[in-house]
Amino acid sequence: QKEVEQNSGPLSVPEGAIASLNCTYSDRVSQSFFWYRQYSGKSPELIMSIYSNGDKEDGRFTAQLNKASQYVSLLIRDSQPSDSATYLCAENSGNTPLVFGKGTRLSVIA
Amino acid sequence: EPEVTQTPSHQVTQMGQEVILRCVPISNHLYFYWYRQILGQKVEFLVSFYNNEISEKSEIFDDQFSVERPDGSNFTLKIRSTKLEDSAMYFCASRQGKTEAFFGQGTRLTVV
Repeated sequence: QKEVEQNSGPLSVPEGAIASLNCTYSDRVSQSFFWYRQYSGKSPELIMSIYSNGDKEDGRFTAQLNKASQYVSLLIRDSQPSDSATYLCAENSGNTPLVFGKGTRLSVIA
Repeated sequence: EPEVTQTPSHQVTQMGQEVILRCVPISNHLYFYWYRQILGQKVEFLVSFYNNEISEKSEIFDDQFSVERPDGSNFTLKIRSTKLEDSAMYFCASRQGKTEAFFGQGTRLTVV
């Protein structure tokens, strides 16, 4: 049974700070990793995908993957109150369905 | 920008009734999924559909559930006899291939 683990939070950061969200996964053959943002009552919205070890940057977001440690992270620079949401980590291999973590609730304090 | 669309946004039904949730995936996508999320819980996989057949299903997807792609655009999830515990958000998602999955806005199903 594949598992994706996330700290449920809440993680509170002041506006303008860096928010660091972490995720571990159980399946060593997992190939693809995704971060989704979910506002309360809304659907998951894709923020980042990462497939190889290292860092991937997109605007204020940086995803980091370490397959040896089975660890994925998401950094949000210059956090804004609008970033307050639940961040879902997900993984899959090839065409298998996404397996989601429970999500980390982020609160950015103005 | 292409998006996955779901209807209705909210469905209220009586226990034991049948419901059909509808989805229009992104047009050039090949893989289609249904997920559900019970309030306060994580997003759970129900079923995947590829090449006009179910490719994978979870333990949740029992005989009460079925999926169909009746034409070239719609993808439906049917629950034959709803139970109180079927109350959840149901999300449709689609992928082109081994790429990111995009989600519809969801249908909130309330069984009373």
